[in-house]
Amino acid sequence: QVQLQESGPGLVKPSETLSLTCTVSGGSISSYYWSWIRQPAGKGLEWIGRIYTSGSTNYNPSLKSRVTMSVDTSKNQFSLKLSSVTAADTAVYYCARGVAVAGRNAFDIWGQGTMVTVSS
Amino acid sequence: DIQMTQSPSSLSASVGDRVTITCQASQDISNYLNWYQQKPGKAPKLLIYDASNLETGVPSRFSGSGSGTDFTFTISSLQPEDIATYYCQQYDNLPYSFGQGTKLEIK
Repeated sequence: QVQLQESGPGLVKPSETLSLTCTVSGGSISSYYWSWIRQPAGKGLEWIGRIYTSGSTNYNPSLKSRVTMSVDTSKNQFSLKLSSVTAADTAVYYCARGVAVAGRNAFDIWGQGTMVTVSS
Repeated sequence: DIQMTQSPSSLSASVGDRVTITCQASQDISNYLNWYQQKPGKAPKLLIYDASNLETGVPSRFSGSGSGTDFTFTISSLQPEDIATYYCQQYDNLPYSFGQGTKLEIK
């Protein structure tokens, strides 16, 4: 079955760029959209944005000026870059598959999540 | 942006109880609403899509209803393994947004 796995540094210094990659295994990256969602400790979920395999993106306006997403279909991977990070960006970051078909639009498969701490 | 408000924020119930969580959208979102379950230390899991459709493999004790701005999520008979935080999520408009969550505990 399809599995998602986040990877990247667990510690990022303030003002630097957070970089994460999500590897999709057990299935094709095509025909879906791919999102990043984050969750600060003890808090709720925040949608960061999404990317299609065409490269088309949509970002949350609250983060848009700092977010860049990319996709590498040859590696079945997609990535997140968040620039100029502060302590407020400390969170568990999830990658998730978005399925939008026959009126259904939901995050049906999630990675296990990766904790990113912003600290000097 | 569409704001999603869940109530209650936390809930304590006994095994076998019927449990209901509500989610209110700040504007009409038709039936463009999903429900997720998140157990401690785990990723969220999709339970209900399009407000009332049960995801494949999800037990039938879970159900959802509603349209427009007001939605309900119900567990017909609470089981110990249902202890988790539940989130609603709208996909009518970008940016997609989640409710603040409802933490369900066993009494």
